[in-house]
Formats: sequence, C-alpha cells, structure tokens
Amino acid sequence: GAVVSQHPSWVICKSGTSVKIECRSLDFQATTMFWYRQFPKQSLMLMATSNEGSKATYEQGVEKDKFLINHASLTLSTLTVTSAHPEDSSFYICSARDRARNNEKLFFGSGTQLSVL
Amino acid sequence: GESVGLHLPTLSVQEGDNSIINCAYSNSASDYFIWYKQESGKGPQFIIDIRSNMDKRQGQRVTVLLNKTVKHLSLQIAATQPGDSAVYFCAEARGNNRLAFGKGNQVVVIP
Repeated sequence: GAVVSQHPSWVICKSGTSVKIECRSLDFQATTMFWYRQFPKQSLMLMATSNEGSKATYEQGVEKDKFLINHASLTLSTLTVTSAHPEDSSFYICSARDRARNNEKLFFGSGTQLSVL
Repeated sequence: GESVGLHLPTLSVQEGDNSIINCAYSNSASDYFIWYKQESGKGPQFIIDIRSNMDKRQGQRVTVLLNKTVKHLSLQIAATQPGDSAVYFCAEARGNNRLAFGKGNQVVVIP
C-alpha cells in the first residue's frame, strides 16, 4: 500500500513552454503533498507544501508564479512549471502523507526528470 | 556558468561487510528522523525511522542510531548486498512536519 504515482517520468520541452507534473496517491488520501527538486549529486530541496483545498505554501526563494501548484482533490496534486527555461531543468519529486496514519512518514513518487532545451 | 564539482561522500564496501553511514543534522528541535535510499533516476525509498525519545532502532538488516547530544544520526547496514548500492539521505522533521534532507552519501558495493 501507500503508492504515490508521478507522471510523467521524464519530459523534454522547449524554452518558454509550460510543463505540468502530476502526483497521485493511489491507495490513500493525502491532505498534504510536498514538492521537491533535486539537481545532480545534490540533496532534495523542498519547494512547496501543497494543501488540499487551499493555497500552497512556498519555501523561501521559490517563485509561486513560476511553479504553480494545484491540490484540487485528496489524491492529486499538480506542479506546473510556467515558461520553463534551461535553468529549470531538474529532477522534481513529490511526496504525500497518508492522512489516515497518525505519523509523519512520507511516501515518494518516482520523480520527473525535466529537461528544458 | 561553470559549476563547482559536486561529489557525494562515497563509501565503498565489500559485499557481505557491514556499512555505516553518518549524518549530522542541524536542528536541535527536530524530533523525527528518517533514512531514505535513492537509486539513480528514482524517488527516495523509506528505509527506517526513529523518534527523538529513542537512541536506537532496528529493522531488517538495518539499524539507526541517534545521538541527540551531538546531533548525529547513523545508519548501519548488515551484510551489505549489491542491491544496497545507492545514495542514502537522512532527513529530519521540522516545523509543520516538513522534512529537511541531508546531503547524501553514495554507497558502492563491491562484489
């Protein structure tokens, strides 16, 4: 149980286009999902906390107009990278917490490799 | 611009030997810690967790040790196998249960 599906697993796009990444909790409901980005050989950096039915909370230095987050249901959060540029190329990972479990354990998606040309 | 070379600390271990991976955390107020394993191109995989009211916890082939005095966390892997080759991250839970990840350690298992 506790599977988080992330789609697509990789995407290549032209500079200036927007890319949407989906994060779904398949067998549990998640009131909170988290979005991370990871550059090669580096750790995961939290970008934002996605809350179902409310606005996302962004970490310092993360542009909310650049990285649009929507958490419209208890099983789906989306991250849209708007007007992507080569410096946005990175590995994006989502995670979710099962609201039925009273602990802090997070379940991670398999990540999305974004390459902006 | 040119990036400064980034190299993860790497632990090379012979298959069958025990591995110890260390992590220093930063927030003395953190009360929940987790070890994750990440294989290339994949998301982190939960290994084991520990709360601050404990100093040791054991799982299957893995043991986590917590030293709150020096803010140090370690992961011990017994009888390391080729499938254990990956990058290992420690993470600490901070305010609002957001996780902060450490820098990562590369484990290379030599057959």
